[in-house]
Amino acid sequence: AQSVTQLGSHVSVSEGALVLLRCNYSSSVPPYLFWYVQYPNQGLQLLLKYTSAATLVKGINGFEAEFKKSETSFHLTKPSAHMSDAAEYFCAVSDQSSASKIIFGSGTRLSIRP
Amino acid sequence: EPEVTQTPSHQVTQMGQEVILRCVPISNHLYFYWYRQILGQKVEFLVSFYNNEISEKSEIFDDQFSVERPDGSNFTLKIRSTKLEDSAMYFCASSEAMSAGGDTQYFGPGTRLTVL
Repeated sequence: AQSVTQLGSHVSVSEGALVLLRCNYSSSVPPYLFWYVQYPNQGLQLLLKYTSAATLVKGINGFEAEFKKSETSFHLTKPSAHMSDAAEYFCAVSDQSSASKIIFGSGTRLSIRP
Repeated sequence: EPEVTQTPSHQVTQMGQEVILRCVPISNHLYFYWYRQILGQKVEFLVSFYNNEISEKSEIFDDQFSVERPDGSNFTLKIRSTKLEDSAMYFCASSEAMSAGGDTQYFGPGTRLTVL
């Protein structure tokens, strides 16, 4: 069965610093992978998704993620953090046995220091 | 930009009571979903719904749960007799097509259910 593991439940970076949120997936077949963001008191918003078209995926708000099959990773990065990036970030994978189910990681809370 | 809406934002109920959580999916979407997140745990899939019937459900979605599209706009989740362990954030989502890789699921802001 597919699963995702997010390393670090809480990451804190300074404003302007690189953001790196780690995600590793487990899948026996090429997966579809997602990053969602949840701002305080809001729903889950799709940042980006990987569907095998290109290994480097660009999303909204300057975020991007690179699919690395050899490392089974899909880490999320942003070159320069902004205060507005403070949120909870979820890595997720589609369940290949299901057309509808998305399996979420446990989330990483990103804090930005002034 | 179209968005999924959910009401209420917070529901408090007594154990054993019935609750109905409401969602208005994006208007041209045909596929609807419910997920839940117990505090401190992962977001978990509950059920998917298409063409007025359940497409798939998880083991969590037992006989206490039901879903309905009572009219052309609303999508509801009913819990018949709530338990303490039903306390969670419930997210509704919708998509144009049912393909987790081929189409995006858009999520609502969630309803926080507290069972006392």
